[in-house]
Amino acid sequence: QVQLQESGPGLVKPSQTLSLTCTVSGASISSGGYYWSWIRQPAGKGLEWIGRMYTSGSSNYNPSLKSRVTISVDTSKNQFSLKVNSVTAADTAIYYCARGYYDWSSYDYWGQGALVTVSA
Amino acid sequence: QSALTQPASVSGSPGQSIAISCTGTSSDVGGYNYVSWYQHHPGKAPKLMIYDVSERPSGVSDRFSGSKSGNTASLTISGLQAEDEADYYCSSYTSSSTWVFGGGTKLTVL
Repeated sequence: QVQLQESGPGLVKPSQTLSLTCTVSGASISSGGYYWSWIRQPAGKGLEWIGRMYTSGSSNYNPSLKSRVTISVDTSKNQFSLKVNSVTAADTAIYYCARGYYDWSSYDYWGQGALVTVSA
Repeated sequence: QSALTQPASVSGSPGQSIAISCTGTSSDVGGYNYVSWYQHHPGKAPKLMIYDVSERPSGVSDRFSGSKSGNTASLTISGLQAEDEADYYCSSYTSSSTWVFGGGTKLTVL
């Protein structure tokens, strides 16, 4: 059974960098045909796609976040990570990691989410 | 990229059928057959219910079906059950090689 689990600080100060890690179990992050993504949900709002990365290094990001976001993959640890620079209160959200299945153009497995609050 | 438009809420009685719409543009929903739907019970991981407009992953009840016409996709749930009460999100691939989600629809089973 494929499982994804987010981890990282739950509180980040404004202007600092938000860092989260997603640990994948039950599947190899190096497997072809998949991509690895982050998606977030601010309180009371809908889902917002942040970006995706293939283990080949190819990536795509939400244009509204592109200048501040980096997604990276660590195949040796079967993990992938998210960094968001220069955070503000608007970045407060539940952050989900998810596996994208290329053939289905959709996300077949998700983590349960990690709440990150941006506050001094 | 702008979020896809979904109704904020829908409701139905057990046994009834409901439909949730998802409206985008020719650059996303209308341009690709890559619309997916997710069921989300708060506090849990979202679950894929429909992919590629109308395909169901293994294990998803056939009470769930999807369709698309022009720039609008729809999720239909027939034979409503109490366990269907959740938030539902649509998503589409876009011409910018990104994904966009809808604002979400809260389904209440009366």
